[in-house]
Amino acid sequence: DAGVTQSPTHLIKTRGQQVTLRCSPISGHKSVSWYQQVLGQGPQFIFQYYEKEERGRGNFPDRFSARQFPNYSSELNVNALLLGDSALYLCASSSGTSALDTQYFGPGTRLTVL
Amino acid sequence: GDSVTQMEGPVTLSEEAFLTINCTYTATGYPSLFWYVQYPGEGLQLLLKATKADDKGSNKGFEATYRKETTSFHLEKGSVQVSDSAVYFCALTGGGSNYKLTFGKGTLLTVNP
Repeated sequence: DAGVTQSPTHLIKTRGQQVTLRCSPISGHKSVSWYQQVLGQGPQFIFQYYEKEERGRGNFPDRFSARQFPNYSSELNVNALLLGDSALYLCASSSGTSALDTQYFGPGTRLTVL
Repeated sequence: GDSVTQMEGPVTLSEEAFLTINCTYTATGYPSLFWYVQYPGEGLQLLLKATKADDKGSNKGFEATYRKETTSFHLEKGSVQVSDSAVYFCALTGGGSNYKLTFGKGTLLTVNP
């Protein structure tokens, strides 16, 4: 069975640009969560979506937004990029909304902002 | 808010050595605790978890016990292998925000043959 997939693998943008990251969950999983992992730090929660509705939001500015599609895939959008947005963006899928449900993480998208 | 503190790395050990990675937490209520592992080039994987005080999580020879009195969840393994080289993250969930994981900064473990 395919695991969580994310695209693209790597991305280079300049300050002020906008970026869209994509995530496909494991088949049958209805929950997708997004995390930001800055180099040398642990992942930090950005959003959770379940059944196409936002169920949780972390302490990130409104420049960050996300959505979930009917097939449960998800996109993370970041507007007006800053140098500090450079990070590995992780997507995790699970069957339910609780973090107690095993979270399956994708390999991530490495975003570099110049 | 909730937070996790884990020992600074990197940790370098010889094969068959004993491993301990310390983890302490601050949380409201009674969180559930996790260890995740990130092997080179791979996504984060759940290694083990414990959902209540005195529970012991175990997997692949790794163990951690939920100690409420010391707010700790230290990771141990009796005999490490080269294949255990990875970054290890302690994490928690609970209280009113059980939809998210709060992670520590991670500890890089390198095991030499």
